[in-house]
Amino acid sequence: GENVEQHPSTLSVQEGDSAVIKCTYSDSASNYFPWYKQELGKGPQLIIDIRSNVGEKKDQRIAVTLNKTAKHFSLHITETQPEDSAVYFCAASIASGYALNFGKGTSLLVTP
Amino acid sequence: EAGVAQSPRYKIIEKRQSVAFWCNPISGHATLYWYQQILGQGPKLLIQFQNNGVVDDSQLPKDRFSAERLKGVDSTLKIQPAKLEDSAVYLCASSPPGAGNYNEQFFGPGTRLTVL
Repeated sequence: GENVEQHPSTLSVQEGDSAVIKCTYSDSASNYFPWYKQELGKGPQLIIDIRSNVGEKKDQRIAVTLNKTAKHFSLHITETQPEDSAVYFCAASIASGYALNFGKGTSLLVTP
Repeated sequence: EAGVAQSPRYKIIEKRQSVAFWCNPISGHATLYWYQQILGQGPKLLIQFQNNGVVDDSQLPKDRFSAERLKGVDSTLKIQPAKLEDSAVYLCASSPPGAGNYNEQFFGPGTRLTVL
């Protein structure tokens, strides 16, 4: 089955700096790569996703890149703010409607 | 639009007891998922329903876990008997219908289960 590795497990940055989280996956059939943000006591919330036919996608301060050849994808958050502090999960799925295989998460702390 | 609803939010039981969780997906969402999230890890799929049929239950410990989605709307997940290692947050998610689309999964707040 699919195995998703995520690094780092914890990340601390100062407000205004950039944060980068990296993931690798094992199943070359995976085609959908979402990123979720989970705040304490809440369920994961989708923040951005990328399909296999796209190399990069950006939404305001958040961007995701995908390298299908190397089987890795990354989340980039620029101009971080304290409210970005949360646990971030990457995931991979082989197709529409299939279950997501999650990484172990990255706990991001943005200090003022 | 209303989100995915789950209850209870918290449950504490002793090992070998039974417990049930309830999920009400977003209206109109055909697909429903139950995930188990152990502390410090990412969610892991337990079972996926498409309407009221099971699509994937390969990771569901069927000797103790069961789930149903009668009428293709609400769903319940049951554990009987519970073990210490079942302590986790149980997340329900739903996604809208639409073949060929990479549909977003919307997650509920989860039920935190503690087995003593």
